[in-house]
Amino acid sequence: GENVEQHPSTLSVQEGDSAVIKCTYSDSASNYFPWYKQELGKGPQLIIDIRSNVGEKKDQRIAVTLNKTAKHFSLHITETQPEDSAVYFCAAIFSGGGADGLTFGKGTHLIIQP
Amino acid sequence: DSGVTQTPKHLITATGQRVTLRCSPRSGDLSVYWYQQSLDQGLQFLIQYYNGEERAKGNILERFSAQQFPDLHSELNLSSLELGDSALYFCASSPTPGSTEAFFGQGTRLTVV
Repeated sequence: GENVEQHPSTLSVQEGDSAVIKCTYSDSASNYFPWYKQELGKGPQLIIDIRSNVGEKKDQRIAVTLNKTAKHFSLHITETQPEDSAVYFCAAIFSGGGADGLTFGKGTHLIIQP
Repeated sequence: DSGVTQTPKHLITATGQRVTLRCSPRSGDLSVYWYQQSLDQGLQFLIQYYNGEERAKGNILERFSAQQFPDLHSELNLSSLELGDSALYFCASSPTPGSTEAFFGQGTRLTVV
């Protein structure tokens, strides 16, 4: 089955700086890679995703890159703000029309220092 | 608000007991997923239903079962509860099994004492 490794487990950055979270996956068949943000007491919220036919995707201050050869993908947050503080999860899945669940990384606790 | 509703939000019960967690998917979504979130195991996929039928199983214990009803709401039944079953249980929904976007509810926090 799929295995997703996520690093770092905790990341502290100054407000306004950039943050980068990295994930690797094991199953070369995986073709969809979402990122979720989880705030305290809430469920995971999808913030951005990327499919295997795309190398990079950007949405305002958030971007995700994918390297299929190396089987790793990263989340980049620029100009960090206090509301970016949360736990971020990467995930991977093969979405081939079948049925299955997402395999998640262990999460990164992002702390934005004022 | 994701549109996925889970009840109850909190549940405290004793070891050996049985509980039922309920999930209402987003309007129009036919597929429901259950996940367990614990400190040591992280977010783990348990089981998926589509339009009333089981579609996929993940790391779900035999003491746990689920079903999806004709109105598409789903229930996760946990029996013979152990201390280690204490966790957050999330339901997520998507339009079809192959849909890639999954929307999560706010979860049910289960505490087994």
